[in-house]
Amino acid sequence: GAGVSQSPSNKVTEKGKDVELRCDPISGHTALYWYRQSLGQGLEFLIYFQGNSAPDKSGLPSDRFSAERTGGSVSTLTIQRTQQEDSAVYLCASSWGLAFRETQYFGPGTRLLVL
Amino acid sequence: AQSVAQPEDQVNVAEGNPLTVKCTYSVSGNPYLFWYVQYPNRGLQFLLKYITGDNLVKGSYGFEAEFNKSQTSFHLKKPSALVSDSALYFCAVRPQTGANNLFFGTGTRLTVIP
Repeated sequence: GAGVSQSPSNKVTEKGKDVELRCDPISGHTALYWYRQSLGQGLEFLIYFQGNSAPDKSGLPSDRFSAERTGGSVSTLTIQRTQQEDSAVYLCASSWGLAFRETQYFGPGTRLLVL
Repeated sequence: AQSVAQPEDQVNVAEGNPLTVKCTYSVSGNPYLFWYVQYPNRGLQFLLKYITGDNLVKGSYGFEAEFNKSQTSFHLKKPSALVSDSALYFCAVRPQTGANNLFFGTGTRLTVIP
């Protein structure tokens, strides 16, 4: 079946511009995660959505970052007033349900470059 | 605090030889443990996980990992390496309660030499 998809695959923007990154989770998965993969820093958790519950935003690095999930499916991560340090690969993952044992399945990522 | 250590940034192994990629973890309570592989310009691909039960977990592509509670380790192994196994490998941990997210190691780059 279809996996997690993300768009765009690459995004180049100028410092100070806003960007939107999109994630389509696996159909039926109620949990959705955003992570950031920076060179030399591994994967960093950003935000978690589960069904209709309030999202866990504990990983967002600043108030320039926000995310929403419409209709319990597609999610958009927005970065306002981008900075060069925002350059990274942004990965989305989804999983079944609430159980912490569930496997997270990752999309191919969006590579963001802020000039 | 939860954390994962992958002590080797780079592992080189000859094709056909056994491979080991090391992972140790620190977590409050019992862990769920995962291994993922990342090929160039691709997302993370799930390999295997330890939830409970047998300490030896078998996963995709002939990989396996052994959970060792006393040593807080979850090393990834394969009896005979293939050139196509060359990739970046990530170990991750999730506590059974508390944090919603996975905590990842910094990754180990595996190179299998023909």
